[in-house]
Amino acid sequence: AQSVSQHNHHVILSEAASLELGCNYSYGGTVNLFWYVQYPGQHLQLLLKYFSGDPLVKGIKGFEAEFIKSKFSFNLRKPSVQWSDTAEYFCAVKGSNYQLIWGAGTKLIIKP
Amino acid sequence: DGGITQSPKYLFRKEGQNVTLSCEQNLNHDAMYWYRQDPGQGLRLIYYSQIVNDFQKGDIAEGYSVSREKKESFPLTVTSAQKNPTAFYLCASSNFVGAVSYEQYFGPGTRLTVT
Repeated sequence: AQSVSQHNHHVILSEAASLELGCNYSYGGTVNLFWYVQYPGQHLQLLLKYFSGDPLVKGIKGFEAEFIKSKFSFNLRKPSVQWSDTAEYFCAVKGSNYQLIWGAGTKLIIKP
Repeated sequence: DGGITQSPKYLFRKEGQNVTLSCEQNLNHDAMYWYRQDPGQGLRLIYYSQIVNDFQKGDIAEGYSVSREKKESFPLTVTSAQKNPTAFYLCASSNFVGAVSYEQYFGPGTRLTVT
């Protein structure tokens, strides 16, 4: 079955720390990968996406992610987090029927 | 302003009553989706529609029903058969026909509480 695994359900960091959130997927078809973010009280919004080309993709607010095909991974990174990055982060992959398959989410708390 | 509208933001119902959640989009997207979001479970797909007058069950369709009579509208009815209806419901839309990438755009959600 197609699935997406996010390794950490909760992450707590101090401001200026570096961030890496893990995402692994199981799907052998053409890859469309996404990271979404849900800030407290706000819409779920797209952070970045990969569908072809350079495996290192840059998104909004200084986030980036690297697609590593051999590892079926699409980890999210940010070199220096801010308090405003406190949010829930979701990884998703396009499945065989064009639907998105979602990870369980990672709640990120940044301590000021 | 293009986007997805969900109403109401909060909804309260008594057990045994059906309730309909509204979702409207003006992005001219072909496909629309309903998800349920519960803490620690990510987003679970209830129903989706890739074209007007057609829709498909998602992973947790039991106790829910939908219609897609217009491209811009995809209402969700939570029926009394849904055993645990209290949740946060998200509506989304995306391009489908001829799309290169299938990112979905989300509405603000409706929090339904059934007592």
